Formats: sequence, structure tokens, C-alpha cells
Amino acid sequence: GENVEQHPSTLSVQEGDSAVIKCTYSDSASNYFPWYKQELGKRPQLIIDIRSNVGEKKDQRIAVTLNKTAKHFSLHITETQPEDSAVYFCAASTPEDMRFGAGTRLTVKP
Amino acid sequence: GAGVSQSPRYKVAKRGQDVALRCDPISGHVSLFWYQQALGQGPEFLTYFQNEAQLDKSGLPSDRFFAERPEGSVSTLKIQRTQQEDSAVYLCASSFARREQFFGPGTRLTVL
Repeated sequence: GENVEQHPSTLSVQEGDSAVIKCTYSDSASNYFPWYKQELGKRPQLIIDIRSNVGEKKDQRIAVTLNKTAKHFSLHITETQPEDSAVYFCAASTPEDMRFGAGTRLTVKP
Repeated sequence: GAGVSQSPRYKVAKRGQDVALRCDPISGHVSLFWYQQALGQGPEFLTYFQNEAQLDKSGLPSDRFFAERPEGSVSTLKIQRTQQEDSAVYLCASSFARREQFFGPGTRLTVL
């Protein structure tokens, strides 16, 4: 089955800096890659996703890149703000199921 | 519109008790997923329904875990003879086309 690795597990940046979170997956059949943001005690919320026929997608300060050959994808947050502090999860989805990474705890220091 | 709802939000059970966790998906969503999230970890897949059919239950950790969705809408996750290692947040998610999953608020289960 699919196995998703996520790095780093914790990330601390200064407000205004960029943050990058990287994930790798194992199943070449995976073709959908969402990113979720989870604040303490709350449900995961989708922030951006990318499909396998696209290499990059951007939404304001958030961008995701996908390298299908290398089986890795990354989340980029620019101009970070304190409200970006949360746990971020990547996921990889095949037609049959979705698997999540272990999460990255991002802290943005004012 | 209404999102995914789950009840109860919190459940405390004594070891050995049976519990039932409910999920109300978004109306019209055919796909429903259950996840187990331990503290500080990502959601771990438990089981998946398409309408009333349970197409994948490979993530259920033992035969004490049972899920159903008899009418293709509301789903119930049942855990029999709960053990301390079952303590976690149980998340339900639904989607229309097996893509974007919308999560419920979760049920935090504590087994004493």
C-alpha cells in the first residue's frame, strides 16, 4: 500500500520568512495530493491540492510542487504570518485510498 | 451549508466497555472515511464506504472495530471491549468524488 513520509516534523520560522515542507510517496498510482492544515483541537482543513497532471499550483501565499518521477511533492508558504502556525499534513491518494504523512508542526514567531 | 458532524465530541469509557461513534456526512457525499488520529500524529486510515458498501476496511486495527453505513448516509464506528490503546481522536470525512475530503470535528475517545 501507499506510504507517505513527511519532513520536517517541526519547523520554526520568523514572521515574513518562507516555510517549505516536503513529502515523498511510494505508490506510483497516486494521482491526487492534498495538503491539510490542522489547528490545535480542530479538524483538518484542506488548504491546497494538486493532481498528477500538474507540476505546480499556487494560491496566494501558498504553492505546491509535484515531481512524479521522483515521487515527491512540497508545500511552500511565503511571507509567513503567526496565524500560519499549525500542523500541516500532506496526503497521497490512489483511486482506492488516501494516506497521510505524520505532520509538520509549523511555528511562526512574530 | 452543513458540514460533516460527529457525535459525541468527547467520550470517556472504562476499559472493556463498548462505544459507538456517529458520523453525519455532507448530504450527497457518496464516499465516507474513518480515521484514527493519535496525539501528535497524522490521521491513520481505518475504513472507507462508497454509499452503503464498505469497500476497504484494511485499516481497522482488530476485529473489535466495526463500521457500518446501512443506508448510505450516517455511519457508525463501533469499538467493542475498548482498551487503553484505543484512546485517540476518531475523524470522519466525506467526499463527493473521492477527492477533496471534508473532515468532521472528530470524537476524542479516552479509555480509562
